[in-house]
Amino acid sequence: DSGVTQTPKHLITATGQRVTLRCSPRSGDLSVYWYQQSLDQGLQFLIQYYNGEERAKGNILERFSAQQFPDLHSELNLSSLELGDSALYFCASSVSTLAYEQYFGPGTRLTVT
Amino acid sequence: GENVEQHPSTLSVQEGDSAVIKCTYSDSASNYFPWYKQELGKRPQLIIDIRSNVGEKKDQRIAVTLNKTAKHFSLHITETQPEDSAVYFCAASTPGGSYIPTFGRGTSLIVHP
Repeated sequence: DSGVTQTPKHLITATGQRVTLRCSPRSGDLSVYWYQQSLDQGLQFLIQYYNGEERAKGNILERFSAQQFPDLHSELNLSSLELGDSALYFCASSVSTLAYEQYFGPGTRLTVT
Repeated sequence: GENVEQHPSTLSVQEGDSAVIKCTYSDSASNYFPWYKQELGKRPQLIIDIRSNVGEKKDQRIAVTLNKTAKHFSLHITETQPEDSAVYFCAASTPGGSYIPTFGRGTSLIVHP
């Protein structure tokens, strides 16, 4: 167990809908990262937050957004869902932005039908 | 941006044999190279990492080597066991505001008893 928690574990929804994925980092970690893992794209970095502020952006679609709250938990919002958004979404955390090691949560499996 | 190539995509060995997975990266500024193990449906777990000021690092049956000149690094697993069966990902991180890893596409290692 990495200490990073994610909810829900599984999510099934229809195209066009909006969902919110939640992540709580390890105790003491200020930085949260979101990744998407799909069969055709592999493990791709989406976005990073540090102590409530956006710090780095990767291949995140405009339909996706995220935020980190004062208690340091983070939410990833996915809207206007398409079939291709079906994937595993992982959250990871680290102590700071310059910490090498990232600890991954168990992931949320999103299925868009 | 950084590009990481990983080979082979699948590796099948007999229990007790050694396994080697190779990665190349494109950005000579990358200075941190973690390896993750991911079992089916589970989260990626950091198993070993190496920084650019070190050429080799060992931890029991696993070792990682780095050749900065050639921009490639490798994971070596000796005396493989069935529980080593998993997908292994290499990654390369470039220093900046944050250490965001670029992942390889993964190697599915199958260890036959």
